[in-house]
This record gives sequence, C-alpha cells and structure tokens, in this order.
Amino acid sequence: GQNIDQPTEMTATEGAIVQINCTYQTSGFNGLFWYQQHAGEAPTFLSYNVLDGLEEKGRFSSFLSRSKGYSYLLLKELQMKDSASYLCAVDRGSTLGRLYFGRGTQLTVWP
Amino acid sequence: DADVTQTPRNRITKTGKRIMLECSQTKGHDRMYWYRQDPGLGLRLIYYSFDVKDINKGEISDGYSVSRQAQAKFSLSLESAIPNQTALYFCATSKGGGSDTQYFGPGTRLTVL
Repeated sequence: GQNIDQPTEMTATEGAIVQINCTYQTSGFNGLFWYQQHAGEAPTFLSYNVLDGLEEKGRFSSFLSRSKGYSYLLLKELQMKDSASYLCAVDRGSTLGRLYFGRGTQLTVWP
Repeated sequence: DADVTQTPRNRITKTGKRIMLECSQTKGHDRMYWYRQDPGLGLRLIYYSFDVKDINKGEISDGYSVSRQAQAKFSLSLESAIPNQTALYFCATSKGGGSDTQYFGPGTRLTVL
C-alpha cells in the first residue's frame, strides 16, 4: 500500500508561522500536492512540488525532498481564516493524475 | 458559475435504495474522479475516468458503479445503499499531463439510514 503520514492536529496563534510535515513511502513518485479544506467544503489546490526545493507562493510555501520522502507546507503570518484541514497528496506516476491522500492535518489558529 | 457542480448536495436515503450522484464540469477537462471522505480516513478514490471511453476502479470501488455519459458528466451509483456508505462524496476533474492538478466539486453529503 501507500503510506502518507501527517500530523492529525496542530494549533498556532494569529500572526505566527506554522510548518505542517508530510512523509510518504510510495511505489513511484511523480509529484506532491498540498490542498486546503475548510470544514464541509471542497479541497482547494495550494501547491505542487515535483523537484527538490522550496516553492513560495505568497504566505504559503512548500518544500520537497524526494530522497527523504518528505515535504512540508509553511504558512506565514497566520490568519484566523487559515484554520482548516491541510491535505498532502502524492501522485505515484504509474498512472499520472491518480492521487493518494494523507488523512489531513487540522490546523486551528487562535487569536 | 462553479466549474464543477454536484447534485444533490445532500441526500438521506434508506438501506437497499439505489442512489445516483451526478457531477458536471465546464472546465473542459478529460479526467474525472469520484472520492469519498470519512472522518479520520481522508479522501479515498472510488473510480476515475481519463476520457469518455475509459473507466477505472480506485481503492474502494466495491458497492459502487459509474457512468461517463459525456466529457462533462460523470455519475456515481450506489446500487443498494448500506449505512457504511454514509460519507461526503467529492467529484474532481483534471486536464491531464504533468502537474495534473485536480479541482473538486462542492461535495454531496450522503446519509444511509
């Protein structure tokens, strides 16, 4: 099977920085996605990494190390609206576009 | 207007009933997917289709069937619903190729009594 692990819950305060980690063990790799999902709503795309290194997009950045099977999502200047579940998903590549999702990390931002 | 729509948004049904969930998209994408989401289990793939003539089983296809009526439409059926199929169901689409980002519909909350 595919193992994609991320913490179940995290908390942080408004204005802070938080890092959400994701480790994976998959047979094949063709990229890693991060999605944000507010309660009861659809997941929305945040970032995609296929090469090692950091991808920055405004307050959100995502890092990938393929050799370590590791990624993180970095959220800066946290806002209350960032309270959501963050989903890590791996594209195994055997059939491009078939994603395997982690169970999600529920982030709560306190004032 | 939303690019990916799902109907119904909420449905309560009884054990043994046949249920169809519908998904439509205006993104012009070839690829469509059905997922279910359960608390603590994350998103799991039920079926996916890479074009109108292509249907593939995902991780948890037992008890489900699908129909790809057109590029824009992908329906999920529960032939005889059971309580453990109570879940949030999402349809998604993607265009294919590298960096094949999936875009999700708003979801259907299904309760089987």
